[in-house]
Amino acid sequence: NAGVTQTPKFRILKIGQSMTLQCTQDMNHNYMYWYRQDPGMGLKLIYYSVGAGITDKGEVPNGYNVSRSTTEDFPLRLELAAPSQTSVYFCASSLRETSTDTQYFGPGTRLTVL
Amino acid sequence: GQNIDQPTEMTATEGAIVQINCTYQTSGFNGLFWYQQHAGEAPTFLSYNVLDGLEEKGRFSSFLSRSKGYSYLLLKELQMKDSASYLCAVLDSNYQLIWGAGTKLIIKP
Repeated sequence: NAGVTQTPKFRILKIGQSMTLQCTQDMNHNYMYWYRQDPGMGLKLIYYSVGAGITDKGEVPNGYNVSRSTTEDFPLRLELAAPSQTSVYFCASSLRETSTDTQYFGPGTRLTVL
Repeated sequence: GQNIDQPTEMTATEGAIVQINCTYQTSGFNGLFWYQQHAGEAPTFLSYNVLDGLEEKGRFSSFLSRSKGYSYLLLKELQMKDSASYLCAVLDSNYQLIWGAGTKLIIKP
C-alpha cells in the first residue's frame, strides 16, 4: 500500500503559467481532498470529492479546478498561476464510513510562483 | 465565523510533560482531531474526541470539554522526536474539518 502519493514534490512556476498537481490513493477511499498550507496558517480546504464524478468547492476554490474521473485519482489544476498561490499543497483521502473520519495525507507539493 | 485557537509555539524539556491547548468556535461539532506534523512532512493522525473526557493512547492523551469549546493534547515523557507542530481540527456541522494554525513544539535536551 503506497497510501496517498503526490507529484511533483517541488515546482516553480512563472506568473500566468498553468499546471496540474497529481494525487493518487490506493486505499479505495471514497473521499478525497485538496488543501493548501501557508506558513503559520492552518490547512485551508480548496476542493473535495465524495466519489468519482462528484466534486465540490471548499473554503478557497478560486484559481483552481479539479476533476474526479476515477476513485483513485484527484488532480488539481492551476490556471493562470499567481504569486498568491505560492504554498504547500496537500492531498488527503478518507473512508468516511463514520464521523471518526481519519484523513490520510500525501507528502505534499511545494509550489512557488514567481 | 469559525475559529480555532492554539498557541503558536511552546518549548519543553526532554522527559517532561507538556499540555497543548485548543479552543474552538465552529458551526456545529462532530468531533475534534489532533494531528502531528513534522517539519516538511504531511500531517499524521494522533487522536479523535467526540465525547467529553480523556482519551489515552500511550504517551499521548487528549481531553475534550464540549461545553467550554476546549481541548488539550497532553504529551508525557517527551522525546526529541516529539519536536513537531501539533494541529487541532474540528469537524463542523457539514462534516468538514476546520483547522487551527498549529502549535510548534520545541523539545530541548
